[in-house]
Amino acid sequence: QKEVEQDPGPLSVPEGAIVSLNCTYSNSAFQYFMWYRQYSRKGPELLMYTYSSGNKEDGRFTAQVDKSSKYISLFIRDSQPSDSATYLCAMRRTSYDKVIFGPGTSLSVIP
Amino acid sequence: DAGVIQSPRHEVTEMGQEVTLRCKPISGHNSLFWYRQTMMRGLELLIYFNNNVPIDDSGMPEDRFSAKMPNASFSTLKIQPSEPRDSAVYFCASSSSVGTQYFGPGTRLLVL
Repeated sequence: QKEVEQDPGPLSVPEGAIVSLNCTYSNSAFQYFMWYRQYSRKGPELLMYTYSSGNKEDGRFTAQVDKSSKYISLFIRDSQPSDSATYLCAMRRTSYDKVIFGPGTSLSVIP
Repeated sequence: DAGVIQSPRHEVTEMGQEVTLRCKPISGHNSLFWYRQTMMRGLELLIYFNNNVPIDDSGMPEDRFSAKMPNASFSTLKIQPSEPRDSAVYFCASSSSVGTQYFGPGTRLLVL
């Protein structure tokens, strides 16, 4: 079993839809959780960063962490074609530890 | 700030040849990371440096891979000899000690 699992998709939604992206993990020691967005032929860029359980909102994006279920989610409201990218979840045990990435989910938002 | 700079952006080589990938981290960052990304295995950490010192190289596939960081503004990842299974996108990233990792644009390597 991989440390971090993520449905690779591809996920295709119409513009304006609410998108839900999810990851599960096996290591209960993870405390820091991140979502990266990667456009085609670009490097990943940090989208959201959360510590421990709870929700964090930034504009159209909301990150949720449920440590009891070892499950994290990223919600995108009012999705736009510019949101079309691969979304990678990532996590680490401490702020000094290496980051473990999920395999990524490919998202297409159709105008 | 120019961000993380990687060169070359594309590399095509023949099996058995030596390949050297280069990275210039963001000025002031003291951690540098080399990743490899493939469809099959996703994004894998190969090695990371803190203050120019290699901290964790457990992700380096085998002895054919080596990485150096001679100073705070430059790092290399070398593959010798290269094999077709090394074909991938190689990313360099940098960060402050506990900060966000900023990725470069990557080097697309194809080994024929």
